[in-house]
Amino acid sequence: KQEVTQIPAALSVPEGENLVLNCSFTDSAIYNLQWFRQDPGKGLTSLLLIQSSQREQTSGRLNASLDKSSGRSTLYIAASQPGDSATYLCAVSSGTYKYIFGTGTRLKVLA
Amino acid sequence: EAQVTQNPRYLITVTGKKLTVTCSQNMNHEYMSWYRQDPGLGLRQIYYSMNVEVTDKGDVPEGYKVSRKEKRNFPLILESPSPNQTSLYFCASSRSGGSWETQYFGPGTRLLVL
Repeated sequence: KQEVTQIPAALSVPEGENLVLNCSFTDSAIYNLQWFRQDPGKGLTSLLLIQSSQREQTSGRLNASLDKSSGRSTLYIAASQPGDSATYLCAVSSGTYKYIFGTGTRLKVLA
Repeated sequence: EAQVTQNPRYLITVTGKKLTVTCSQNMNHEYMSWYRQDPGLGLRQIYYSMNVEVTDKGDVPEGYKVSRKEKRNFPLILESPSPNQTSLYFCASSRSGGSWETQYFGPGTRLLVL
């Protein structure tokens, strides 16, 4: 059974730092991996989606990488800002229509 | 504006009193899904629907029912709620559920069952 783990559970950094969030999964047979941002009261917003055949995706200050063989993905945030404070979730699709989420990393960027 | 809406946003109820949480999307998406989020457990999929009248169980379907009579709506029904169903619920949709697609999430419904 697929399990998705995110470490650390919480992270505080000063503004301007570059940071890396980690996501690991136990079964490498995935269709895709998505990173989401969750803000209180606003649901989840998709940040990046990486197909199983891809190694990375970039959007602005965000870069997500995927290493299927080792069961790992990282989300790199460059030059962090207080507005980046949120919970970041990764989710893997191991079959059509079904998604397994990690428990998230709660990020706080200090001004 | 493209969006997924849920109602109500907050609900307090008592054990055994049937309730329905509505979900609606205005993007003509075929795929819709319900999740619950609990501390330390992340989001877990309850049910999903690939199209009108086509639904299937996710990982935690016990105690829940769904229906998909119209493409835009996917209500979640708790026929006899229990305290262990106290949770934050999210509805999501995507164009067809394919692995290349992003999911769009509603704002969540916080449910407390006493």
